[in-house]
Formats: sequence, C-alpha cells, structure tokens
Amino acid sequence: QSVLTQPPSASGTPGQRVTFSCSGSNSNIGSNAVSWYQQLPGTAPKLLIYNNNQRPSGVPDRFSGSKSGTSASLAISGLQSEDEADYYCAAWDDSLNGLWVFGGGTKLTVL
Amino acid sequence: QLQLQESGPGLVKPSETLSLTCTVSGGSISSRNYFWGWIRQPPGKGLEWIGSVYYTGSTYYNPSLKSRLTISVDTSKNHFSLRLSSVTAADTAVYYCARRAVRGIINGDAFDIWGQGTMVTVSS
Repeated sequence: QSVLTQPPSASGTPGQRVTFSCSGSNSNIGSNAVSWYQQLPGTAPKLLIYNNNQRPSGVPDRFSGSKSGTSASLAISGLQSEDEADYYCAAWDDSLNGLWVFGGGTKLTVL
Repeated sequence: QLQLQESGPGLVKPSETLSLTCTVSGGSISSRNYFWGWIRQPPGKGLEWIGSVYYTGSTYYNPSLKSRLTISVDTSKNHFSLRLSSVTAADTAVYYCARRAVRGIINGDAFDIWGQGTMVTVSS
C-alpha cells in the first residue's frame, strides 16, 4: 500500500481536461514539495511537475500542478492520445529518518 | 545532455546479493546540486524509492530496505552503485537510477533525469 493515495484509473476524450488527485499527510505533502511523473508504457518515468506547480523545460503548458494542505492535483488540458500513460505523484516524507514516497499511480486511458 | 545508464546481472539467485551500477555520462557526479538515487518498480506495480547518495558519500536509505542495502559513489569513475543483500522474489523489479536536484534550484526536489531501467529477476 502506497503512502500517497491516487485513484487507480482515469479516462477522458481528446480535447478534454482531466485531473488526478494525490492525497497524503502532514509529514509528506503537507510540509514538502510534490512532483509528478508520466510513465509511458515500457519506458522510464519522466518528470512533469516539480515544486508543486513548476514545469521543467520542454513540458507543455497543458500540464499543470497544484497543492492544498495534504493533497495535490495534476491537470491535463487539451487531452491527446499520446497522454495515455501512468501518472505518479511523489514527495519527501519527514517521518522516521525521512524517505521519498510515491503514490500508487493513476492509469490514464484516452477514449 | 546528461544521461544515466544502469548495468548489472539480470538474474540473481535467492539469498544472494543484487549489485547494480549507474554510470553518469555528459556531466559530473561531483556536483553539489544533485543527489543520485535508485528507484524500483515490481512488474505491474508502482514506484518505490530505494535510497540516494551524495557525491561526498552521504547516503539516505528507505527504512524498509536499510538492513540489506548499501549505496556507494565512485567519483573517479563517475558512477554510483547499489548492493542489496539476501534477495527474495519480492525484490524482482525494474531498477532505475535517477538524479535528484537539491531544493531551491531548477527541477529542485524532484527526480529529473532517469536511466532507462534494468530488469532484475530473483529466481533459482
């Protein structure tokens, strides 16, 4: 069971806006930055969002992130077929001696 | 363009030690701005952070793996390594190495560059 909670699946049609949630606690999302990763089938994860809402160079502005309290969200606008992938959230957790924690991932299906 | 490449055996016997190396090319591992980490993904499952190392040799381990884990860095060879002892079938996974920028810089507090991953199967 993952420390960060994500819904296992989501779907949308081309052009639509979809959002993914990531729920944590005070020791992780509540006190540290959230990052989001996209994993296309058979490939390594790719950084989409860092520091809650910042996009790395090269990531389209269709992708946006936000955080409120102990929850975070990723939104994709103008959905495209190539966005079909698994999406993971992550954050540092201050509990124990500290560790990185990931969500279980949300599989996005573009209908 | 900095790149990471994992290498090591794809098959390890139960109770033995899993050893992997991540070679950094196109940049120096001896940067104060980055940590170097290992993350794994069992087949069909999510991501699990294993641990990280700084160029000075300081390490940070997942508490659930700490008793079996050693991560080290060799700045002369521009690579870092993972050793996980007493493996079982539960350690079967794709193992990724990744770079993590320190807080406060571009891509800070996130794993911004990943290797392609290497599949390790624990089986007799």
